[in-house]
Amino acid sequence: NAGVTQTPKFQVLKTGQSMTLQCAQDMNHNSMYWYRQDPGMGLRLIYYSASEGTTDKGEVPNGYNVSRLNKREFSLRLESAAPSQTSVYFCASIGTGSWSPLHFGNGTRLTVT
Amino acid sequence: EDQVTQSPEALRLQEGESSSLNCSYTVSGLRGLFWYRQDPGKGPEFLFTLYSAGEEKEKERLKATLTKKESFLHITAPKPEDSATYLCAVPGQNFVFGPGTRLSVLP
Repeated sequence: NAGVTQTPKFQVLKTGQSMTLQCAQDMNHNSMYWYRQDPGMGLRLIYYSASEGTTDKGEVPNGYNVSRLNKREFSLRLESAAPSQTSVYFCASIGTGSWSPLHFGNGTRLTVT
Repeated sequence: EDQVTQSPEALRLQEGESSSLNCSYTVSGLRGLFWYRQDPGKGPEFLFTLYSAGEEKEKERLKATLTKKESFLHITAPKPEDSATYLCAVPGQNFVFGPGTRLSVLP
Protein backbone atom coordinates (compact mmCIF):
# COMPACT_ATOMS: atom_id res chain seq x y z
CA ASN A 1 0.00 0.00 0.00
CA ALA A 2 2.80 2.42 -0.96
CA GLY A 3 0.79 5.17 -2.72
CA VAL A 4 3.22 7.87 -3.88
CA THR A 5 6.93 7.23 -3.27
CA GLN A 6 9.61 9.92 -3.55
CA THR A 7 13.38 9.59 -3.51
CA PRO A 8 15.63 10.83 -2.07
CA LYS A 9 14.20 12.12 1.22
CA PHE A 10 17.01 14.63 1.74
CA GLN A 11 19.60 16.18 -0.56
CA VAL A 12 22.22 18.89 -0.29
CA LEU A 13 23.59 20.44 -3.48
CA LYS A 14 26.10 23.11 -4.27
CA THR A 15 25.08 25.97 -6.54
CA GLY A 16 25.31 24.85 -10.16
CA GLN A 17 25.01 21.12 -9.50
CA SER A 18 22.26 19.10 -11.10
CA MET A 19 20.01 16.38 -9.75
CA THR A 20 16.81 14.47 -10.47
CA LEU A 21 14.02 13.90 -7.98
CA GLN A 22 12.18 10.65 -8.52
CA CYS A 23 8.49 9.96 -8.01
CA ALA A 24 6.44 6.81 -8.54
CA GLN A 25 2.81 5.99 -7.81
CA ASP A 26 1.12 2.59 -7.71
CA MET A 27 -2.52 3.74 -7.81
CA ASN A 28 -2.86 3.66 -11.61
CA HIS A 29 -3.47 7.43 -11.65
CA ASN A 30 -3.27 9.30 -14.92
CA SER A 31 -2.29 12.75 -13.59
CA MET A 32 0.84 13.56 -11.62
CA TYR A 33 2.16 16.82 -10.16
CA TRP A 34 5.28 18.42 -8.71
CA TYR A 35 4.89 21.07 -6.00
CA ARG A 36 7.33 23.01 -3.90
CA GLN A 37 6.49 24.13 -0.37
CA ASP A 38 8.10 27.15 1.23
CA PRO A 39 7.31 28.71 4.62
CA GLY A 40 4.33 31.06 4.46
CA MET A 41 3.76 30.49 0.75
CA GLY A 42 1.84 27.27 0.62
CA LEU A 43 2.20 24.65 -2.05
CA ARG A 44 3.07 26.01 -5.49
CA LEU A 45 2.75 23.97 -8.65
CA ILE A 46 5.93 23.52 -10.68
CA TYR A 47 4.85 21.13 -13.45
CA TYR A 48 2.13 18.62 -14.01
CA SER A 49 1.38 15.75 -16.34
CA ALA A 50 -2.26 15.12 -17.17
CA SER A 51 -1.46 11.79 -18.79
CA GLU A 52 1.43 9.67 -19.94
CA GLY A 53 3.34 11.54 -22.65
CA THR A 54 2.16 15.04 -21.73
CA THR A 55 3.62 17.69 -19.43
CA ASP A 56 2.65 21.30 -18.72
CA LYS A 57 4.07 24.22 -16.80
CA GLY A 58 2.58 25.29 -13.52
CA GLU A 59 2.98 28.47 -11.50
CA VAL A 60 6.77 28.32 -10.92
CA PRO A 61 8.45 26.25 -13.70
CA ASN A 62 11.64 28.26 -14.21
CA GLY A 63 14.81 26.30 -13.48
CA TYR A 64 13.10 22.90 -13.63
CA ASN A 65 12.41 20.21 -16.20
CA VAL A 66 10.22 17.13 -15.94
CA SER A 67 9.88 13.75 -17.57
CA ARG A 68 6.84 11.49 -17.49
CA LEU A 69 8.71 8.25 -17.95
CA ASN A 70 5.61 6.05 -17.97
CA LYS A 71 2.24 6.02 -16.22
CA ARG A 72 3.81 5.33 -12.84
CA GLU A 73 6.83 7.62 -12.84
CA PHE A 74 7.26 11.39 -13.03
CA SER A 75 10.70 12.91 -12.41
CA LEU A 76 11.77 16.49 -11.70
CA ARG A 77 15.22 17.70 -12.79
CA LEU A 78 17.21 20.68 -11.63
CA GLU A 79 19.83 21.34 -14.31
CA SER A 80 21.79 24.01 -12.44
CA ALA A 81 20.67 24.35 -8.84
CA ALA A 82 20.36 27.79 -7.23
CA PRO A 83 19.90 28.74 -3.55
CA SER A 84 16.37 29.94 -4.42
CA GLN A 85 15.49 26.33 -5.13
CA THR A 86 16.03 25.34 -1.51
CA SER A 87 12.63 23.96 -0.60
CA VAL A 88 10.62 20.86 0.14
CA TYR A 89 9.39 19.17 -3.03
CA PHE A 90 6.24 17.09 -3.14
CA CYS A 91 5.00 14.80 -5.82
CA ALA A 92 1.27 14.08 -6.04
CA SER A 93 -1.12 12.09 -8.18
CA ILE A 94 -4.84 12.17 -8.72
CA GLY A 95 -7.38 9.70 -9.96
CA THR A 96 -10.09 10.31 -12.51
CA GLY A 97 -13.36 11.89 -11.42
CA SER A 98 -14.29 15.51 -10.78
CA TRP A 99 -13.89 15.34 -7.00
CA SER A 100 -10.80 13.19 -6.64
CA PRO A 101 -8.30 14.48 -4.07
CA LEU A 102 -4.58 14.74 -4.61
CA HIS A 103 -2.47 12.01 -3.02
CA PHE A 104 0.96 13.18 -1.89
CA GLY A 105 4.32 11.58 -1.30
CA ASN A 106 6.36 12.43 1.79
CA GLY A 107 8.59 14.93 0.06
CA THR A 108 12.23 15.60 -0.71
CA ARG A 109 13.93 18.26 1.42
CA LEU A 110 16.49 20.00 -0.80
CA THR A 111 19.12 22.46 0.36
CA VAL A 112 21.24 24.37 -2.16
CA THR A 113 24.32 26.07 -0.73
CA GLU B 1 -7.01 34.30 -10.53
CA ASP B 2 -8.07 31.91 -7.77
CA GLN B 3 -6.75 32.82 -4.32
CA VAL B 4 -6.93 31.00 -1.00
CA THR B 5 -6.06 32.45 2.41
CA GLN B 6 -6.11 30.83 5.83
CA SER B 7 -6.29 32.21 9.35
CA PRO B 8 -4.89 32.21 11.86
CA GLU B 9 -1.37 31.44 10.72
CA ALA B 10 -0.75 29.58 13.98
CA LEU B 11 -2.99 28.50 16.86
CA ARG B 12 -2.12 27.10 20.26
CA LEU B 13 -4.84 25.36 22.24
CA GLN B 14 -5.01 23.54 25.51
CA GLU B 15 -6.22 19.97 25.30
CA GLY B 16 -10.02 20.07 25.29
CA GLU B 17 -10.22 23.71 24.17
CA SER B 18 -12.39 23.83 21.04
CA SER B 19 -11.73 26.30 18.22
CA SER B 20 -12.10 26.92 14.50
CA LEU B 21 -9.74 27.44 11.56
CA ASN B 22 -10.77 29.59 8.62
CA CYS B 23 -10.17 29.18 4.90
CA SER B 24 -11.29 32.03 2.63
CA TYR B 25 -11.20 31.84 -1.13
CA THR B 26 -11.72 33.97 -4.19
CA VAL B 27 -12.56 31.82 -7.17
CA SER B 28 -14.30 32.36 -10.46
CA GLY B 29 -16.81 29.68 -9.63
CA LEU B 30 -17.04 27.47 -6.55
CA ARG B 31 -15.97 23.98 -7.49
CA GLY B 32 -15.74 22.55 -4.02
CA LEU B 33 -13.00 22.63 -1.42
CA PHE B 34 -10.53 20.15 0.06
CA TRP B 35 -9.01 19.98 3.55
CA TYR B 36 -5.68 18.29 4.26
CA ARG B 37 -3.65 17.59 7.37
CA GLN B 38 0.16 17.78 7.23
CA ASP B 39 2.44 16.40 9.92
CA PRO B 40 6.08 17.57 10.18
CA GLY B 41 8.27 15.85 7.62
CA LYS B 42 5.28 14.31 5.83
CA GLY B 43 3.18 15.06 2.79
CA PRO B 44 -0.36 16.44 3.09
CA GLU B 45 -2.95 13.82 3.97
CA PHE B 46 -6.47 14.16 2.60
CA LEU B 47 -9.24 14.80 5.15
CA PHE B 48 -12.43 16.07 3.48
CA THR B 49 -14.02 17.14 0.24
CA LEU B 50 -16.83 19.69 0.47
CA TYR B 51 -18.81 19.83 -2.73
CA SER B 52 -21.19 22.76 -2.30
CA ALA B 53 -22.15 25.61 0.02
CA GLY B 54 -24.01 24.37 3.09
CA GLU B 55 -22.32 21.02 3.16
CA GLU B 56 -20.72 19.65 6.35
CA LYS B 57 -18.36 16.69 6.88
CA GLU B 58 -17.16 15.15 10.15
CA LYS B 59 -14.29 12.91 11.15
CA GLU B 60 -13.60 12.21 14.81
CA ARG B 61 -13.03 15.62 16.45
CA LEU B 62 -13.00 17.52 13.14
CA LYS B 63 -15.96 19.08 11.38
CA ALA B 64 -15.65 21.01 8.12
CA THR B 65 -18.26 23.42 6.81
CA LEU B 66 -18.52 25.40 3.59
CA THR B 67 -20.19 28.69 2.61
CA LYS B 68 -20.01 30.58 -0.67
CA LYS B 69 -16.92 32.51 0.45
CA GLU B 70 -15.20 30.46 3.14
CA SER B 71 -14.80 27.18 4.92
CA PHE B 72 -14.29 26.43 8.59
CA LEU B 73 -12.58 23.50 10.22
CA HIS B 74 -14.01 23.14 13.70
CA ILE B 75 -11.98 21.16 16.21
CA THR B 76 -13.94 19.92 19.21
CA ALA B 77 -12.12 18.95 22.42
CA PRO B 78 -8.77 18.58 20.63
CA LYS B 79 -6.03 16.20 21.76
CA PRO B 80 -2.25 16.60 21.38
CA GLU B 81 -2.32 14.17 18.44
CA ASP B 82 -4.40 16.73 16.51
CA SER B 83 -1.32 18.98 16.36
CA ALA B 84 -0.45 19.49 12.70
CA THR B 85 -0.68 22.01 9.89
CA TYR B 86 -4.08 22.11 8.24
CA LEU B 87 -4.28 23.09 4.58
CA CYS B 88 -7.26 23.92 2.41
CA ALA B 89 -7.33 23.87 -1.38
CA VAL B 90 -9.73 24.66 -4.19
CA PRO B 91 -9.74 22.49 -7.29
CA GLY B 92 -9.68 23.60 -10.87
CA GLN B 93 -7.40 22.93 -13.77
CA ASN B 94 -4.84 22.90 -11.01
CA PHE B 95 -5.31 22.96 -7.27
CA VAL B 96 -4.71 26.24 -5.41
CA PHE B 97 -3.59 25.78 -1.81
CA GLY B 98 -3.76 28.11 1.15
CA PRO B 99 -0.61 28.68 3.26
CA GLY B 100 -1.97 26.59 6.13
CA THR B 101 -2.72 26.96 9.84
CA ARG B 102 -0.22 25.43 12.23
CA LEU B 103 -2.15 23.97 15.17
CA SER B 104 -0.49 23.04 18.46
CA VAL B 105 -2.53 21.28 21.16
CA LEU B 106 -0.85 21.29 24.53
CA PRO B 107 -1.51 18.55 27.12
